[in-house]
Amino acid sequence: GQSLEQPSEVTAVEGAIVQINCTYQTSGFYGLSWYQQHDGGAPTFLSYNALDGLEETGRFSSFLSRSDSYGYLLLQELQMKDSASYFCAVRVSYNFNKFYFGSGTKLNVKP
Amino acid sequence: DAGVTQSPTHLIKTRGQQVTLRCSPKSGHDTVSWYQQALGQGPQFIFQYYEEEERQRGNFPDRFSGHQFPNYSSELNVNALLLGDSALYLCASSQTGQSYEQYFGPGTRLTVT
Repeated sequence: GQSLEQPSEVTAVEGAIVQINCTYQTSGFYGLSWYQQHDGGAPTFLSYNALDGLEETGRFSSFLSRSDSYGYLLLQELQMKDSASYFCAVRVSYNFNKFYFGSGTKLNVKP
Repeated sequence: DAGVTQSPTHLIKTRGQQVTLRCSPKSGHDTVSWYQQALGQGPQFIFQYYEEEERQRGNFPDRFSGHQFPNYSSELNVNALLLGDSALYLCASSQTGQSYEQYFGPGTRLTVT
């Protein structure tokens, strides 16, 4: 079976740094994606890691350790608009974009 | 450049009925994936269409079927609706072989009563 674990909820203050962890157990692994979803909205792509290490895109960074089956999303200089749900998703097919998603982490940013 | 579009936005059906949801992928994309997202949960992979064929399937019963047309648009059909089928149905498009990034549509909210 497929299993992705991430915290259900995280709260942080504006301007702070927050890390959202994801551990996975899947049959097949070709990469880890992160998506953001605001209430009532569609998931939007944030990052993708196929190899170990840190990928940085503006205020957001994503890390992967394949040996530990673990990754995280790091959000810096938090803004109120970052309040949303964040999903990690494992790509389980090499040829096709077949992803299994975690249950999501709801991030609450407070003033 | 239009993104992924889905129709209808909302739908209410009765148990036992059948429903068809539609998706038009982002311009230039040839692959369409369908996901079911229950309230408070992550999207669950239903299946994926490429070159008008189902290429990948998740753990969903045969009541869930689909189709892809030559213009890459796609339909999701669900037969014999159950109360548990109530969810947000998301369509995601991508370009096979070029990108791992999926673009999601706004979804269709299906309520089964």
